[in-house]
Amino acid sequence: GQNIDQPTEMTATEGAIVQINCTYQTSGFNGLFWYQQHAGEAPTFLSYNVLDGLEEKGRFSSFLSRSKGYSYLLLKELQMKDSASYLCAVRGTGGFKTIFGAGTRLFVKA
Amino acid sequence: NAGVTQTPKFRVLKTGQSMTLLCAQDMNHEYMYWYRQDPGMGLRLIHYSVGEGTTAKGEVPDGYNVSRLKKQNFLLGLESAAPSQTSVYFCAASARLGGDTQYFGPGTRLTVL
Repeated sequence: GQNIDQPTEMTATEGAIVQINCTYQTSGFNGLFWYQQHAGEAPTFLSYNVLDGLEEKGRFSSFLSRSKGYSYLLLKELQMKDSASYLCAVRGTGGFKTIFGAGTRLFVKA
Repeated sequence: NAGVTQTPKFRVLKTGQSMTLLCAQDMNHEYMYWYRQDPGMGLRLIHYSVGEGTTAKGEVPDGYNVSRLKKQNFLLGLESAAPSQTSVYFCAASARLGGDTQYFGPGTRLTVL
C-alpha cells in the first residue's frame, strides 16, 4: 500500500532548530515535496527533493534518502510565524497522483 | 496575477442539495486538481484534469463530478450532498508533471447538514 507517516504535533522554542521527519511507502518515486499550511489557509510550497541529499533554502532545509524512504524538514532560527502545519507529499510514478501525509502541526513558543 | 481562486469561500448545504464549486487560475497551467482535506488526514485527490476538455478520477471520486470546459476553470459538482462531504475543498494547478509545484487556492469550507 501507499503510506506517508509524520508526527502529528511538535513544539519548539523561538530561535531554536526543529526537525520534522517523514517516512513514506509509495508505488514508485518521482519526488518529495514539503508544503507549509497556516491554519485556515492554503498549502504553500516549501521544497522539492528528487535526489538524495540536502537542499537548503534560507532558514529551511530538506533532506531525502530514497533507499530509506525518509525525508526531513529542518527549520532553523524558529520564528513565531513558523507555527503552522507542515505537509510531506510524495509523487509516485505512472500517474498524476501526489500522496499527502496528514501533516505535522508545529507550535513555536516564546 | 491572482494565482488560483475559489468561490465560494464558505457554504452550508442541506443533505440532498446540489452545488458547484468554481476554481479559476490565471497562470495558464495545464493541470488542475480538486482535493478535500479532513482533520487528521492528508489532502486526498478527488478528480484532476490534464488539460482543457479532459478529466480523470482521483482517490475519492464518488459523489463528485467535474468539468474543464475552459483551460482556466475547473468546476467541482456535488449532485446530492451528504454529511460525509463536509470538508475543506482545495483546488490546485501545476504547469507540468514530475517535480512541478502545485499552487493551491484558498479553499472552500463546506458543511452539509
